[in-house]
Formats: sequence, structure tokens, C-alpha cells
Amino acid sequence: NAGVMQNPRHLVRRRGQEARLRCSPMKGHSHVYWYRQLPEEGLKFMVYLQKENIIDESGMPKERFSAEFPKEGPSILRIQQVVRGDSAAYFCASSPLSGGEGYTFGSGTRLTVV
Amino acid sequence: DAKTTQPNSMESNEEEPVHLPCNHSTISGTDYIHWYRQLPSQGPEYVIHGLTSNVNNRMASLAIAEDRKSSTLILHRATLRDAAVYYCIDDMRFGAGTRLTVKP
Repeated sequence: NAGVMQNPRHLVRRRGQEARLRCSPMKGHSHVYWYRQLPEEGLKFMVYLQKENIIDESGMPKERFSAEFPKEGPSILRIQQVVRGDSAAYFCASSPLSGGEGYTFGSGTRLTVV
Repeated sequence: DAKTTQPNSMESNEEEPVHLPCNHSTISGTDYIHWYRQLPSQGPEYVIHGLTSNVNNRMASLAIAEDRKSSTLILHRATLRDAAVYYCIDDMRFGAGTRLTVKP
């Protein structure tokens, strides 16, 4: 039973390019959460999605960032026109219900903007 | 912003118990209390969770106050591998966590 799969593990982008981060939840999990972690800081909630729905995006920056969780396929976190400040580790978590049974985290995608 | 508050850091000696506190000042009646820990360069790892009653598993125990405004994660015998940042959450938002150092 595979856990939460995130890819790529490492991603390097030049300033102004787009970054796409993918997250496949655990089998049977229909809730996905994205977090960002800057170096030496804690995890910051970004967005909570169910299949085809954004439930809570209160942690998402207003510009350049978007997320989706389509009916088929992984959840995607998209960052347009990346800047150096976007360099961080991005973690995805999934849960079977709305967090009541806990969240299972992936190993993260480390984005470096050069 | 995070709804929980924790001490920034704690120290323990190896083989001794550790009690990690957390305040849940704005917890709602239906929010579960979760604890996670994170090692450097890794994703958070589930430790334990509960709603109202105290909980035990192979990793730790969780003591929840009667009013649910605080919880305590108990590691019964700390090992060097328990050194990590420990986070408590009662919704989807993480605080800064407690960095636990275990001294041999």
C-alpha cells in the first residue's frame, strides 16, 4: 500500500518559469492538503482540496499560485513566474476523512529557484 | 495562522520520560488533536491523535485535558532517535513546533 507520493523530489527552476508539483494521495484518501516549509521554519498551510473542489485556500498567496485535484490523476500545485522567495520544501498530505483520522504526509518536493 | 502554542525547545536525557505540552486555546468541539514529528529533510511523521480520551500507542501517549484546551505528548523513554521537531495541531494549521533535543 503505497503512501503519499510526491514528485519530483527536487525541482530547479529559473526565475520566471513555472513549477508544477504533483501529489498522489494514499489509496482510498479523497482529501489532499498542501503545505510550504521555508528553511528553518514550520509548515505553513496553503490549501485543502477534495476531488474537483477547493475547500479552503486561505493559505494560498493571492497571485501566481494555484492548486487542483481533478477527478482522475494527482493533485497539482502550480506556481507561475517563480521568484527566489518561492524556494522551499512543499509537502502534500492526504486523509480519508476531513482530518479526523490523521494526515499522511509525502516526502516533499524541494523547489530551488535560481 | 496556527491555533496551537508550544514551547520552542525542550531537552531530555536518554531513557528518561519527556512531556511535551501544547495549548489549544481555540479548539472546537469536533476538532481532533494530532501530534506529528519531523526529522531534518523529511516529511512530518504521524505520532498520535485523539479527541477527548487519553490515547496510547507504540510510539507515545497522549493526555488530553478535560476542557481540551491543552494536551501533552508523553514519550515514556526518550531515545536519540526521538530528537525531532514535534508539532501539535487541532485543525490543518501547524505552529512552529517544539524542537526536542535528547542528550546521551
